[in-house]
Amino acid sequence: AQSVAQPEDQVNVAEGNPLTVKCTYSVSGNPYLFWYVQYPNRGLQFLLKYITGDNLVKGSYGFEAEFNKSQTSFHLKKPSALVSDSALYFCAVRPWGSGYALNFGKGTSLLVTP
Amino acid sequence: DSGVTQTPKHLITATGQRVTLRCSPRSGDLSVYWYQQSLDQGLQFLIQYYNGEERAKGNILERFSAQQFPDLHSELNLSSLELGDSALYFCASSGPLSGGAPVTDTQYFGPGTRLTVL
Repeated sequence: AQSVAQPEDQVNVAEGNPLTVKCTYSVSGNPYLFWYVQYPNRGLQFLLKYITGDNLVKGSYGFEAEFNKSQTSFHLKKPSALVSDSALYFCAVRPWGSGYALNFGKGTSLLVTP
Repeated sequence: DSGVTQTPKHLITATGQRVTLRCSPRSGDLSVYWYQQSLDQGLQFLIQYYNGEERAKGNILERFSAQQFPDLHSELNLSSLELGDSALYFCASSGPLSGGAPVTDTQYFGPGTRLTVL
């Protein structure tokens, strides 16, 4: 199955510290990878995507992600966390050649404490 | 604000009933996707429409159906509702296809409809 995995249910980080939310993928062919964020009682907001090109992708709100083909990973990062970054983060993959639907990971809850 | 609208925001109904969820895509987007988010199943793709035609099907139950109208809004119909159908239902939209592939791959999500089946 073509999928993504988010190994951590929750990540805790202090405000001002760097944060990493992990995602690994399992697909055949070239993956299209995405990160979305969901705030309480809200829809999913697009953060960034990797289609091709530079392995370091910059997105909204100061987030970035690094595509690593050898490790099949696409970790989300931010140099300095804010309390307002606390939310549920989803990694997703659009498998190559299988239509355009997204396969989502189970989500990682990020808690940034003051 | 993603530009995708969904109505209603909340829906409470009883088992065995039928409901219709409505979605309006972003201006210019031709593709509409429906997803279900539940605690036990996570986020699951249900069905995709492109310019009025069904394009892809995911884990959609036979009791569920959808359509996309000429003005590109979409409706998801859920019938013979069961307790387990209680979930958040999201609609997403993306841009036009070119050569069979989306010009832009990003899907933009609406705020969702929370369905509670009692």
